[in-house]
Amino acid sequence: GAGVSQSPSNKVTEKGKDVELRCDPISGHTALYWYRQSLGQGLEFLIYFQGNSAPDKSGLPSDRFSAERTGGSVSTLTIQRTQQEDSAVYLCASSVGLARGNSPLHFGNGTRLTVT
Amino acid sequence: GDSVTQMEGPVTLSEEAFLTINCTYTATGYPSLFWYVQYPGEGLQLLLKATKADDKGSNKGFEATYRKETTSFHLEKGSVQVSDSAVYFCALMNSGGYQKVTFGTGTKLQVIP
Repeated sequence: GAGVSQSPSNKVTEKGKDVELRCDPISGHTALYWYRQSLGQGLEFLIYFQGNSAPDKSGLPSDRFSAERTGGSVSTLTIQRTQQEDSAVYLCASSVGLARGNSPLHFGNGTRLTVT
Repeated sequence: GDSVTQMEGPVTLSEEAFLTINCTYTATGYPSLFWYVQYPGEGLQLLLKATKADDKGSNKGFEATYRKETTSFHLEKGSVQVSDSAVYFCALMNSGGYQKVTFGTGTKLQVIP
């Protein structure tokens, strides 16, 4: 079946512009995660959704970052007034969620964001 | 809070050498432990997992044993190949409250012929 799909795969934007990153999780997966991976760095947790609710937003770096999930499926990560330090690969992952215990994450290929 | 500590890389080995990548963790409760791998130009994918103490996860010749007494989940492979060159991430999932997933910083492995 289809895996986690992220779009766009690459995004170049000018400093100060807003961007939207999209994630389509695997059908039926109730848990959805956003991470950020900067060059040479590990995975930085941003936000977690269980269904449409976000029990943990603690990783969002600033109020310029927001995310939503609708219909328990698609999620959008929005970055307002982008800064050069926002340049990174943004990864989305999904899992079957609490109903199936500690199930592994399935990752998309990421969106590479470059802020010029 | 939960945390995962991995040995720093990069690790450079000759083909057929023995591999160990150390991973230790701090967590409350009874987490599940995972190793993920990121091959060059690709997304992260699950390599192996263990869900309780003394479980051994294995896949593609890699193994890791969940050691609660030492809070460790070291990754091992008896004979590495050039195709194993990748970045390896140790992670824990703690279901206390919700399925929070914490990753280590990753260890880059380069295998040379």
